[in-house]
Amino acid sequence: SSELTQDPAVSVALGQTVRITCQGDSLSDFYASWFQQKPGQAPVLVIFANIQRPSGIPDRFSGSKSGNTSSLTITGALAEDEADYHCCSRDNTGHHHLFGGGTRLTVL
Amino acid sequence: QVHLVQSGAEVKKPGSSVTLSCKASGATFNTYAVTWVRQAPGKGLEWMGGFIPIVVTTNYAQKFQFRVTLSADESTTTAYMELRALKTEDTAVYFCALVEMATILDYYKMVVWGQGTTVIVSS
Repeated sequence: SSELTQDPAVSVALGQTVRITCQGDSLSDFYASWFQQKPGQAPVLVIFANIQRPSGIPDRFSGSKSGNTSSLTITGALAEDEADYHCCSRDNTGHHHLFGGGTRLTVL
Repeated sequence: QVHLVQSGAEVKKPGSSVTLSCKASGATFNTYAVTWVRQAPGKGLEWMGGFIPIVVTTNYAQKFQFRVTLSADESTTTAYMELRALKTEDTAVYFCALVEMATILDYYKMVVWGQGTTVIVSS
């Protein structure tokens, strides 16, 4: 069955750049979205259609995709970016959706 | 501005059912579908299914297809999720989210999320 794989945890020094990845076979064929989730809060869409940023999302957030890997990059990480990040796409059939396991980002 | 408000926390016994609501303000269901996602304690997000109110079409994750029913009342812009035959493993926070209709067939843009409803299943 389809699955999306993320590293459980990543850390970045304040002001530095970090890339969070999501790997899965279905990503070769379908778009990825990325969500930021802070403790006790609902997810917030930060990237959709692989590379698009919703209005209101700072431009330090960017998305990219290569083959079966989607990436979320934060350029110049701030303390407020410390959160869980979840990728999302379709499964191999294209009919259903699934999330990666999430990556906890720590800003040092 | 579009906003989703979900119903309050629930405590249920195993084997029972729960129905959660999700009310939209600042939006009509003509231009959005509704998707439901849950998150067990300390775990990641899990997609449960989606509902397109304007054509009354559902799409359930295989895992939930025999236990969940999604619906909506367009007159009150309220979506509902019924989960039956509850198990302790269904203990989770349940989120609803609006999906822009124009993106349903491709990038499935989940633009607005509710605050979540905690469901605890315990004997």
